[in-house]
Amino acid sequence: GESVGLHLPTLSVQEGDNSIINCAYSNSASDYFIWYKQESGKGPQFIIDIRSNMDKRQGQRVTVLLNKTVKHLSLQIAATQPGDSAVYFCAERGNDYKLSFGAGTTVTVRA
Amino acid sequence: DTGVSQDPRHKITKRGQNVTFRCDPISEHNRLYWYRQTLGQGPEFLTYFQNEAQLEKSRLLSDRFSAERPKGSFSTLEIQRTEQGDSAMYLCASSRLNPSGGSNYGYTFGSGTRLTVV
Repeated sequence: GESVGLHLPTLSVQEGDNSIINCAYSNSASDYFIWYKQESGKGPQFIIDIRSNMDKRQGQRVTVLLNKTVKHLSLQIAATQPGDSAVYFCAERGNDYKLSFGAGTTVTVRA
Repeated sequence: DTGVSQDPRHKITKRGQNVTFRCDPISEHNRLYWYRQTLGQGPEFLTYFQNEAQLEKSRLLSDRFSAERPKGSFSTLEIQRTEQGDSAMYLCASSRLNPSGGSNYGYTFGSGTRLTVV
């Protein structure tokens, strides 16, 4: 069977390694999902988004995977850099247009 | 257009005072949202506007809170008779009504206003 990644509140990763951040969402009617990066004292910064009619979308060094069967979202960061250290949030948009945020994951990159 | 702007960045006020925050969204975005974020938590929805119409308010938005977007451009969020529990980061975001190219709805957040009530 397919394994579902656990959401972890913290993730420590060696510089240059790949990072995977997992998120479970709650609303099966959600049609749009976004990953945000938030640094201390700043607002959430858009990383990548995906609509529910897709299961994968790639950006620059980032990939988002969507598994609607188990309501799971993941963010993969390739070749993690020190500047990637931040709190990462996934957000889902329901049919009422507002975003609901998951519990964040604090990523720390070790030099 | 450089994104969503919020003013002020920081506000310290005494309990019982009124405060007002301003948000300037991305100019072509029809929708404007207010969220509140407390330490260690994700943002929580407060209210949103489509053009000048306020379409939804969260139960988090007590009677002491009021938001306006009079001309469908910038928005203000006012908190009357502030309480210590109002201390938080207040975030504004804007988005398109419909998906368009690159980043679909273009949901973009400002840097927030950090409110401290003493």
